[in-house]
Amino acid sequence: EVHLVESGGVVVQPGGSLRLSCAASGFTFDDQTMHWVRQAPGKGLEWVSLIGWDGGSTFYADSVKGRFTVSRDNSKNSLYLQMNSLTTEDTGFYYCVKDGTGNFALDYWGQGTLVTVSS
Amino acid sequence: QSALTQPASVSGSPGQTITVSCTGTSSDIGSYDLVSWYQQHPGKAPKLMIYEDIRRPSGVSNRFSGSKSGTTASLTISGLQAEDEADYYCCSYARSRTYVFGAGTKVTVL
Repeated sequence: EVHLVESGGVVVQPGGSLRLSCAASGFTFDDQTMHWVRQAPGKGLEWVSLIGWDGGSTFYADSVKGRFTVSRDNSKNSLYLQMNSLTTEDTGFYYCVKDGTGNFALDYWGQGTLVTVSS
Repeated sequence: QSALTQPASVSGSPGQTITVSCTGTSSDIGSYDLVSWYQQHPGKAPKLMIYEDIRRPSGVSNRFSGSKSGTTASLTISGLQAEDEADYYCCSYARSRTYVFGAGTKVTVL
């Protein structure tokens, strides 16, 4: 069974930095593209970033480009999101999501970790 | 990366059929057969319901179906049930390995 567990969400001040982690199990992690998707409280979903199976390719939404960095450690079955220059608009739940094999869908989601950017 | 357009809400009575639309552009929905749909109950993580416009993952009820015409995709729920009350989001693959979501549609079972 696929299991994705996010951690690292806390309250941080505007301008601050934060690193989220995602522990993956139940599938061959180093075969899979992975994503981060976020959701502001009471709002819709927003795709944030993806990273290829080997970490060699990364892509970002315009809203986070230059501020966020996605990475992975396949030896630890772990996905990361380094978030810098945070603003209040970055507040929300951040979900770690597994890519569907070859179908460009987001087929398994973690439960999310809450990031609150507030002074 | 403009969001896809969905109606804010759709409602129906138990047993009825409803359709949720999702309109994009020639840069996303109109260029790829890669629309997916997600169901989200309050306080829960989203769940994949439809992928590649029309395909249903194993375990998803066949009451859920997807379709597409041009730059508009649709999710149809037949035989509406109380458990179908949730938020539904469409998503499309877009250029350069990016993705775009719709704003979400609240489905209410009357």
